[in-house]
Amino acid sequence: EVQLVESGGGLVKPGESLTLSCAASGFTFSGAWMSWVRQAPGKGLEWVGRIRSKIDGATTDYAAPVKDRFSISRDDSKNTLYLQINSLKPEDTAVYYCATMRFGPTGLYFDSWGQGALVTVSS
Amino acid sequence: DIQMTQSPSSLSASVGDRVTITCRASQSISTYLNWYQQKPGKAPKSLIYAASRLQSGVPSRFTGSGAETDFTLTISSLQPEDFATYYCQQSFSTPYTFGQGTKVEI
Repeated sequence: EVQLVESGGGLVKPGESLTLSCAASGFTFSGAWMSWVRQAPGKGLEWVGRIRSKIDGATTDYAAPVKDRFSISRDDSKNTLYLQINSLKPEDTAVYYCATMRFGPTGLYFDSWGQGALVTVSS
Repeated sequence: DIQMTQSPSSLSASVGDRVTITCRASQSISTYLNWYQQKPGKAPKSLIYAASRLQSGVPSRFTGSGAETDFTLTISSLQPEDFATYYCQQSFSTPYTFGQGTKVEI
């Protein structure tokens, strides 16, 4: 059974940094493309970014609003995905989900999701 | 960026009703369209991928259809556990974008 468990969320002040972790189990993490998706309180889903598997270069792509401040990385030896967020802003307040990405007949989709980690940015 | 627009934003329905949700893309995306269900306080769940492919374990009362710019998610006979918010999402190009969601309530 696929399990994704996010951690590292909490209350932070504007301008601070934070790293979220996503511990993965139940599948071959090293071969998986992974994404982060966030959801502001009472709002819809917003894709943040993705990282390819190591064999596909472990390269990253980001949504424009976050690409200068967010960094996704992975440690395949620990089956863990990371999201580092710098210079946090109040508008970064959201639940952050990690998700596996699966290849379908037409493109990728978000297959399995973690339970989410709440990040609150407030002074 | 490709914009995804869902309609309606919310709807009221009863158990046993047939429900249809529409999703429109701002440009042609072939069948690079996925649907998710989210219940309050829970993570989203994959329902349909590639516009019409049912995710494993998802009841057959859920069907997806459409191509290019216009897509629909249909629930043939609404069940109590189907009351939730539904999102479409395009995987044609990054940034992956979601519709604003459709809340299905009693």
